[in-house]
Amino acid sequence: AIQMTQSPSSLSASVGDRVTITCRASQGIRNDLGWYQQKPGKAPKLLIYSASSLQSGVPSRFSGSGSGTDFTLTISTLQPEDFATYYCLQDYNYPRTFGQGTKVEIK
Amino acid sequence: EVQLVESGGGLVQPGGSLRLSCAASGFTFSSYWMSWVRQAPGKGLEWVANIKQDGSENYFVDSVKGRFTISRDNAKNSLYLQMNSLRAEDTAVYYCARDHRSGSLDYWGQGTLVTVSS
Repeated sequence: AIQMTQSPSSLSASVGDRVTITCRASQGIRNDLGWYQQKPGKAPKLLIYSASSLQSGVPSRFSGSGSGTDFTLTISTLQPEDFATYYCLQDYNYPRTFGQGTKVEIK
Repeated sequence: EVQLVESGGGLVQPGGSLRLSCAASGFTFSSYWMSWVRQAPGKGLEWVANIKQDGSENYFVDSVKGRFTISRDNAKNSLYLQMNSLRAEDTAVYYCARDHRSGSLDYWGQGTLVTVSS
């Protein structure tokens, strides 16, 4: 199975900060990657699909980039509602695999 | 509005069985792959299985192969996960999710908790 390694596992940031989360695949996955946001007690929410496409209804401060093995999720200007845990998921092959998550906390 | 509503979770003893259901509405259910994803308490997300539109193809994570089966009833707009030989490590919230055309999971249910304990 493809291993997805996210970094950092957690970070502290302030409202207005630019935040970058990375995800590295153990082998090339083209651009078959999505990013998800999860708040406590809630279901995950799709933010980005195909590595860089913004899901409908998601604010434009979220962006994704990358291809092959290295991917990035960027929040350009962190808002209070963005404090959550973020996951990447590869959909290149089976079994699909998630990264371990990155918790974004208030500084 | 797309809605996915899971049911069937509960407390079950190790070695027992449980069947989860997911009722879909607000979209043409028969046109989409569907997935199950789980999350153990305090842990990250784990993709479990998915099934093709007509039920002819499915895939599983290794840890549940041979114990879990996935099925669907397009006439009832419903997805199922039959879980047998349950283990303590299967304890989790189980989510059903719709597969976006890209392969990502674009809509999720609220989840149903499965607890495997004696």
